Amino acid sequence: QQPVQSPQAVILREGEDAVINCSSSKALYSVHWYRQKHGEAPVFLMILLKGGEQKGHEKISASFNEKKQQSSLYLTASQLSYSGTYFCGTEMTYKLSFGAGTTVTVRA
Amino acid sequence: DAGVTQSPTHLIKTRGQQVTLRCSPKSGHDTVSWYQQALGQGPQFIFQYYEEEERQRGNFPDRFSGHQFPNYSSELNVNALLLGDSALYLCASSFPGAYSYEQYFGPGTRLTVT
Repeated sequence: QQPVQSPQAVILREGEDAVINCSSSKALYSVHWYRQKHGEAPVFLMILLKGGEQKGHEKISASFNEKKQQSSLYLTASQLSYSGTYFCGTEMTYKLSFGAGTTVTVRA
Repeated sequence: DAGVTQSPTHLIKTRGQQVTLRCSPKSGHDTVSWYQQALGQGPQFIFQYYEEEERQRGNFPDRFSGHQFPNYSSELNVNALLLGDSALYLCASSFPGAYSYEQYFGPGTRLTVT
């Protein structure tokens, strides 16, 4: 079952902050975050594992609440390069299910 | 180091035809997953191949089939194409060293069914 993301879209000015939420009706072992720019492939941002471990490549932070089956991605002091569609994914037995995405537009 | 490559880039087919899409994983990766992404939607998991076997499958009909070769490259075959099969087909590779792992996506194949 697909996770649910909110909001669907957000518009920011450079330097502003935003939060993207992801929730699941099923117990989560891990949450994955990807960003896809228009016309490009999704790019890995981070994985949050049950127990608190995080693996990521970018200076974008996230949280994972195992009890509430929720994750949030924090875009802090946003830059123009943060624009794109953000997808959260939940994994169960090798199957990664993505949400519908949150489109982020950062304006100068 | 080449990333994930896919071919062809674009493809136009007629309803009822069959299509084969190809994927070469990133060097060192042995697992390939296929996704279908309709316009404005998130990628939908089709299946995953590991050690030349389908290890997991999403909610797609049997018209969607695949194969993994000994060099880890993979093919996605779709038979009896429907208009609704028009989408971007993404291939992603990974090296499952742990239970959860990051996936590297290829640029995709844009399939249009007329």
